[in-house]
Amino acid sequence: AQKITQTQPGMFVQEKEAVTLDCTYDTSDQSYGLFWYKQPSSGEMIFLIYQGSYDEQNATEGRYSLNFQKARKSANLVISASQLGDSAMYFCAMREITSWGKFQFGAGTQVVVTP
Amino acid sequence: DGGITQSPKYLFRKEGQNVTLSCEQNLNHDAMYWYRQDPGQGLRLIYYSQIVNDFQKGDIAEGYSVSREKKESFPLTVTSAQKNPTAFYLCASSPSRGQGARMNTEAFFGQGTRLTVV
Repeated sequence: AQKITQTQPGMFVQEKEAVTLDCTYDTSDQSYGLFWYKQPSSGEMIFLIYQGSYDEQNATEGRYSLNFQKARKSANLVISASQLGDSAMYFCAMREITSWGKFQFGAGTQVVVTP
Repeated sequence: DGGITQSPKYLFRKEGQNVTLSCEQNLNHDAMYWYRQDPGQGLRLIYYSQIVNDFQKGDIAEGYSVSREKKESFPLTVTSAQKNPTAFYLCASSPSRGQGARMNTEAFFGQGTRLTVV
């Protein structure tokens, strides 16, 4: 069964606008962590932001923030004030306490920022 | 510079040949991972290793083999049994819990190897 679901294969967003990337997850663990990575066309994976299952506040990191809704099992990434350099593939990933060694990734969302 | 090195960046092989992808890290991380990336399917875990001389199958291990004889190295062999080997392969590492890793410790990735089998 798919542990991480990203339902948006691709999105266009205008420069300076905000964009929300959806991520839902499936776990029966009480303790888990959610990660977002950015992959530019060069292929490297850049870690952006983390949200823990016990974190009461939504994570923020510069222009990135997480809209974490634990009951709905969703951890959507919000990019504010989009820039041309934000054009990339974005992946949501999860680590569960019962399978510590594994990072499980979603299918990704391709974001294209237009002038 | 600390990091993960994957070589080569591009690799071409003829169908039916085995090919080995290199992954070396100098981050002193116990854990290493191999992922396969195909368009529309995200990253799928092939194999992972938590410690030297030990590794586990991921979700799509069939047709692949690995070894972990040294902490720094985790080579992946794509065998002729792998039906669709053409893909982008990413290696990653992370500290283990014994090294102080916490739930929020991320995985660090190499630059990837694009394998094309013709």
